[in-house]
Amino acid sequence: DTAVSQTPKYLVTQMGNDKSIKCEQNLGHDTMYWYKQDSKKFLKIMFSYNNKELIINETVPNRFSPKSPDKAHLNLHINSLELGDSAVYFCASSRGTPTYEQYFGPGTRLTVT
Amino acid sequence: GNSVTQMEGPVTLSEEAFLTINCTYTATGYPSLFWYVQYPGEGLQLLLKATKADDKGSNKGFEATYRKETTSFHLEKGSVQVSDSAVYFCALSYQGGSEKLVFGKGTKLTVNP
Repeated sequence: DTAVSQTPKYLVTQMGNDKSIKCEQNLGHDTMYWYKQDSKKFLKIMFSYNNKELIINETVPNRFSPKSPDKAHLNLHINSLELGDSAVYFCASSRGTPTYEQYFGPGTRLTVT
Repeated sequence: GNSVTQMEGPVTLSEEAFLTINCTYTATGYPSLFWYVQYPGEGLQLLLKATKADDKGSNKGFEATYRKETTSFHLEKGSVQVSDSAVYFCALSYQGGSEKLVFGKGTKLTVNP
C-alpha cells in the first residue's frame, strides 16, 4: 500500500493557468507538509498542516493556497502559474512534529511553459 | 538563524570505497539531526537520525554522530555499493514557533562498479 500518494506525477501547463496537486496519506499521521524542490535539488518547506490547521506558512506567493479537507488529505492549488513555479513539489506527513520521521510522496513535477 | 551546510557535490566513488559527506549546522538550542536520502525519481526517505548530543544514528551501513562541540553530523559508510547512488540531505528540526525541518542543499553521490 502506498503510504503517501500524490496526483498527478507530471503536470505540464501554460503560464497563467490554475492547477491543483492532490496528496493523500494512509498512515494515520496528524501533520502534513508541502515542499518545493528546485532544479538544483534545494528543498524548502512551503506549508504545514496539523489536524487540518495551518501551522507553517512560509514566504510563499499567495497564488499558492493549500487546503486540508481532512487529516489524510492536503491539496495544493496554484493560481496564475508562472515560469518560476516549475519545480518538483513533494507532499509529506509525520506523526506529529518533524522530530518524528517524515514520509514523502513520490513528487509532482510541474513544468510551466 | 537555523541552517545546515553540507559539502558540495557531486561525489563519485568506486564500489567498496569509504564515504564521508560532511554536514555542519547552526541552531539555537538543541535541534534533532537527520539524514534523508532521495533515490532517482523518488521522494525522500529517512536514512538515520539523532536527537541529542553524542547520539549515533545508523542504518543500512551508514552512520552519523551528533557532535555538539563541532556542530556536525557527518555521514559515513565503510563500503559503498552502486545501489547507494542517490542524493543525500542533511536536515535539522527546531522549535521556532512551529517545529519544522531545515534541509541542506543535498549532495549527489554516484557509485561506479
